[in-house]
Amino acid sequence: GQSLEQPSEVTAVEGAIVQINCTYQTSGFYGLSWYQQHDGGAPTFLSYNALDGLEETGRFSSFLSRSDSYGYLLLQELQMKDSASYFCAVRDPNYGQNFVFGPGTRLSVLP
Amino acid sequence: NAGVTQTPKFRVLKTGQSMTLLCAQDMNHEYMYWYRQDPGMGLRLIHYSVGEGTTAKGEVPDGYNVSRLKKQNFLLGLESAAPSQTSVYFCASSQTLLSVYEQYFGPGTRLTVT
Repeated sequence: GQSLEQPSEVTAVEGAIVQINCTYQTSGFYGLSWYQQHDGGAPTFLSYNALDGLEETGRFSSFLSRSDSYGYLLLQELQMKDSASYFCAVRDPNYGQNFVFGPGTRLSVLP
Repeated sequence: NAGVTQTPKFRVLKTGQSMTLLCAQDMNHEYMYWYRQDPGMGLRLIHYSVGEGTTAKGEVPDGYNVSRLKKQNFLLGLESAAPSQTSVYFCASSQTLLSVYEQYFGPGTRLTVT
């Protein structure tokens, strides 16, 4: 089966940089995704890494190391609107390559 | 485009009652999914569909049934609701297997079973 671990909470101030880590144990690996979810809202897709290295999309970057079964989401120039929960997810071959989500990291951005 | 829509947004059921949650997408996506999210937890896959007329079980299928009679609609049924099914239910869709890493989610249905 699949299991993912994330820190439950992270706090940072506006303008800072924060890193949210995700470690995974999987029976097969096809890529790591990141989703953002604001309170009361729906998850929205942020990024996807299938290969090792850094993917950059504006203020957000995502990194993957398959040899370490580890990835992270990097948020730069934090804004108040970045306060949300962030989930990593891996594809699970047991369910038709659908996703298993981590427990989520709640990010609080302080003024 | 409306994207993914869900009906209803809120519902309160008594134990033993039944209901159907409707999900609709207008993006012509092949794959559709039903998840549940409990407080402080990630999303757990209930059932999914890889195309019209097909359904399959996910991680937590017990107590739920689904149907995909039309490509754009995916229905989730609770035949006899239990308090353990109190949760937020999200529907999602994705275009193909190759793009399944990017799922589009509906706004969610908040269900309380008393």
